[in-house]
Amino acid sequence: KNEVEQSPQNLTAQEGEFITINCSYSVGISALHWLQQHPGGGIVSLFMLSSGKKKHGRLIATINIQEKHSSLHITASHPRDSAVYICAVKSSGGSNYKLTFGKGTLLTVNP
Amino acid sequence: NAGVTQTPKFQVLKTGQSMTLQCAQDMNHEYMSWYRQDPGMGLRLIHYSVGAGITDQGEVPNGYNVSRSTTEDFPLRLLSAAPSQTSVYFCASMRTVNTEAFFGQGTRLTVV
Repeated sequence: KNEVEQSPQNLTAQEGEFITINCSYSVGISALHWLQQHPGGGIVSLFMLSSGKKKHGRLIATINIQEKHSSLHITASHPRDSAVYICAVKSSGGSNYKLTFGKGTLLTVNP
Repeated sequence: NAGVTQTPKFQVLKTGQSMTLQCAQDMNHEYMSWYRQDPGMGLRLIHYSVGAGITDQGEVPNGYNVSRSTTEDFPLRLLSAAPSQTSVYFCASMRTVNTEAFFGQGTRLTVV
């Protein structure tokens, strides 16, 4: 079982819909990252959080440390939000630097 | 402020050739790392560095070498390319352990 599991693997939405992408992890962590990768493109950091909730524009990220779960929400989705969204965690034990990545969620937003 | 600059963007190698992927950051970050991204898999750590002169192996280090002679630069060397090293490579840096990660634009490497 992977340490970081994302769901769904693929998600198709209509423009304007509310989107939720989930990330579950099995280890104790000190930080969780949400990243965005457009097709053929680089990787951009959206959020880094260790507790609670963060908001940036139409994007909201939440984390529940006790349940080992995080969600990324996109409000009023737009075709330009189409991308792969990747969850990564930094474990609180072992190598202090290693990030463990989920396999990503491919989001397609149709106009 | 350029962030993380990674070159080249595309590369085709023949089996057995060697090459160096360049990575430079101008943010004075301590932590730099190299990942490979393969279809159906999450990014996997190849090598990382916690400061100039200090490097260590990640999950998939075989066939790759790194060095960190300066804070800014962290090149990845393929010693003798193999088709199994066909992948997309990303360099990343972080100021400290629990801060935002910055990624380069990626290198799409094909070994034939």
